[in-house]
Amino acid sequence: DIQMTQSPSSVSASVGDRVTISCRASQDISRWLAWYQQKPGKAPTLLIYTASSLQTGVPSRFSGSGSGTDFTLTISSLQPEDFATYYCQQAHSFPVTFGPGTKVDVK
Amino acid sequence: QLQLQESGPGLVKPSETLSLICTVSGGSLNSSPYYWGWLRQPPGKGLEWIGSMYSSGSSYYKPSLESRITISLDTSKNQFSLKLSSVTAADTAVYYCARGIAASGLVNWGQGTLITVSS
Repeated sequence: DIQMTQSPSSVSASVGDRVTISCRASQDISRWLAWYQQKPGKAPTLLIYTASSLQTGVPSRFSGSGSGTDFTLTISSLQPEDFATYYCQQAHSFPVTFGPGTKVDVK
Repeated sequence: QLQLQESGPGLVKPSETLSLICTVSGGSLNSSPYYWGWLRQPPGKGLEWIGSMYSSGSSYYKPSLESRITISLDTSKNQFSLKLSSVTAADTAVYYCARGIAASGLVNWGQGTLITVSS
């Protein structure tokens, strides 16, 4: 199985801040990486696929980058509705695996 | 717009089999290139993929759960199901059904249903 790690596990930030979350795969997954946002009590929603492609309807303040084993999710200017937990997921092969999540909370 | 809705018992006794159904509306189980899958999230913890199936019949399961899982599609009802046998308290979680695209991710999710394993 491909193991996924994320850092940090949590980040405290203010509205307007730039937030960066890192994700690392245990082996080369090319650009087969997705990012999700999950709010409490809700299902996750897909933000980004193939490392940098923005899912339809997702605000442009979200961006993704990386390839191989190292990836980044950036929120350019944090908005109140962005406080949530973010997960990366490798889409290279089954079994699908997720990172442990990064919680973005209020500073 | 595609919608998925999980349905299940809510409470399951230890050692019994958990059965969940996902009803799909606004789209067909036969549509390509999608796969249909199940995931879960124990209270306060992260996401765990359980397994996925294509309409072709190809299926993929999490190795540590494979001996206890059956996923099947019923295209006549536009539903797919999960059976998880010999459940324990460790299987208590919110269970989600979802539609995914290979190499892209899980695009559509159900709202989730909490399954508690307890006597």
